[in-house]
Amino acid sequence: EAAVTQSPRNKVAVTGGKVTLSCNQTNNHNNMYWYRQDTGHGLRLIHYSYGAGSTEKGDIPDGYKASRPSQENFSLILELATPSQTSVYFCASGDAGLAEQFFGPGTRLTVL
Amino acid sequence: GDSVTQTEGPVTVSESESLIINCTYSATSIAYPNLFWYVRYPGEGLQLLLKVITAGQKGSSRGFEATYNKETTSFHLQKASVQESDSAVYYCALGGTNAYKVIFGKGTHLHVLP
Repeated sequence: EAAVTQSPRNKVAVTGGKVTLSCNQTNNHNNMYWYRQDTGHGLRLIHYSYGAGSTEKGDIPDGYKASRPSQENFSLILELATPSQTSVYFCASGDAGLAEQFFGPGTRLTVL
Repeated sequence: GDSVTQTEGPVTVSESESLIINCTYSATSIAYPNLFWYVRYPGEGLQLLLKVITAGQKGSSRGFEATYNKETTSFHLQKASVQESDSAVYYCALGGTNAYKVIFGKGTHLHVLP
């Protein structure tokens, strides 16, 4: 049974529109992460969270917001989507002392 | 800074051939680096293939193995005989115990021909 799920799996959005990507984890991990994956780049960290109510900026936070309303859920929000945000987005969970992270299946976002 | 460099793909090999994907790292701010190989099969998320947390040790899984070499700052992934089902993207990664962040390489796309 998948422990990290993402929705939607595919999304087409228009420039200037608002996009919300959702992530749910059943690992009971404190930490959650949002990455994007683009050709020629490794996974790049956008935002992360240490627990419900906390969000922290990662390496490339511009143009993105995050929300962690509960231990299980972590959302990534694009208030004004741009074509440069076309990418594959991965959510992950993890815990202090583990170092490794557990990933969802990814969301392919296309901004036209 | 902290970084990971790995073989640029795509890498194409025939079934039953041997494989090596190179990975080197720089861990300037991580006192005790942990090293990982993740794999992403088509349509799926990344999953941990193997990890090694102690320098000099070897990790292995599904016929793959990698040795954490602190002297050469390397963590190369090897397999003696690949299968078509090994076709995937492989990511070398660097982290530290209790570190909030894992640093990933760019990924190496492996194609195994039948």
